[in-house]
Amino acid sequence: NAGVMQNPRHLVRRRGQEARLRCSPMKGHSHVYWYRQLPEEGLKFMVYLQKENIIDESGMPKERFSAEFPKEGPSILRIQQVVRGDSAAYFCASSLRRVSPDGSNTEAFFGQGTRLTVV
Amino acid sequence: DQQVKQNSPSLSVQEGRISILNCDYTNSMFDYFLWYKKYPAEGPTLLISISSIKDKNEDGRFTVFLNKSAKHLSLHIVPSQPGDSAVYFCAANRDGNQFYFGTGTSLTVIP
Repeated sequence: NAGVMQNPRHLVRRRGQEARLRCSPMKGHSHVYWYRQLPEEGLKFMVYLQKENIIDESGMPKERFSAEFPKEGPSILRIQQVVRGDSAAYFCASSLRRVSPDGSNTEAFFGQGTRLTVV
Repeated sequence: DQQVKQNSPSLSVQEGRISILNCDYTNSMFDYFLWYKKYPAEGPTLLISISSIKDKNEDGRFTVFLNKSAKHLSLHIVPSQPGDSAVYFCAANRDGNQFYFGTGTSLTVIP
């Protein structure tokens, strides 16, 4: 059972180009989360998606950033016209919504991240 | 709006001693709490979790304590080992939905 797969692991883009980051969730998982980690900072929530729906995008910058999780295929985080400040590690996580009678809940499984460098 | 907060960005502890990492949350509706461990250049991995119906969960050297009235969560590592040096993130969710993460605490265990 493969884990969360993110590709590419490393991505270099020139200012003004587009960056596309891909995330394949674990098999059967329909919830996907994107987080960004800037240098020397913690995980910052960006967007939460379920299949074909954006549930919460309150952490997404208003411009240039978009995300999708189509019915078929991976989730895509797209950054248009990248700037140096977009350089960061972008992590994707997936989960299976589950609440058990004993109170145990679901966990989010993370990919290894995509490190975006804008030059 | 940071619903999960880790106010200590870093912590240094001698090998063999106890490490205590703290986390506070604001949303009383959270019903599940998790601690993730992250090494450089890797994704976070789940270390230990606790349901809101419990106040303590123990797994080997790791114990998580939950104080619902204070909306406070802590992770105890005893004895601390150099391999425990990593960034630790506290997280919470409700009904198995969206996860909220703290900003992390970087733990350094000194040999």
